[in-house]
Amino acid sequence: EAGVTQSPTHLIKTRGQQATLRCSPISGHTSVYWYQQALGLGLQFLLWYDEGEERNRGNFPPRFSGRQFPNYSSELNVNALELEDSALYLCASSLGDRPGTDTQYFGPGTRLTVL
Amino acid sequence: QQQVKQSPQSLIVQKGGISIINCAYENTAFDYFPWYQQFPGKGPALLIAIRPDVSEKKEGRFTISFNKSAKQFSLHIMDSQPGDSATYFCAAEAGANNLFFGTGTRLTVIP
Repeated sequence: EAGVTQSPTHLIKTRGQQATLRCSPISGHTSVYWYQQALGLGLQFLLWYDEGEERNRGNFPPRFSGRQFPNYSSELNVNALELEDSALYLCASSLGDRPGTDTQYFGPGTRLTVL
Repeated sequence: QQQVKQSPQSLIVQKGGISIINCAYENTAFDYFPWYQQFPGKGPALLIAIRPDVSEKKEGRFTISFNKSAKQFSLHIMDSQPGDSATYFCAAEAGANNLFFGTGTRLTVIP
């Protein structure tokens, strides 16, 4: 069974540009989560999508946005990139049917570098 | 503000030794405490998890100890092996599928 996949593996942008990151969940999973892993800060929760709807949002500015498509894949958009947005962006998926105990399975991440 | 505090930042253990990683939290609404293991170039993978109604959970060489009154929990890796060398993250969740992660512990097991 294929795991969570993310693309691209690496992304280099300059300040002010927009970045689009993509995630395909495990087959059968309806929930998709996005996390930012910056050096020394651990993983910070960004967004949770389930059944096409945004269910929860972490403490990030509105220029971090996303969406979930009918096939449950997801896209994370980061507008007006800043140097501190450089990080590993991780996507996770889960079955989405048991909030609070639903195991999240992570993809390998997209390394975003902002120059 | 870091919701889950994790220590140490790095840990070096001899093969066969016990690795201990500690986490603490303040939010009493947290009711699910997973530990994740992350190898370089990979995403985190769930290792073991506990709920606050038990004080200990063991799976093979990995044990979580949970102290509800102290709001602390720890991961013990018995008979540590070089293959255990990875970064370990504790996390906590309060039911909104919003995991709060610790800052990670880089474990190195020396042969």
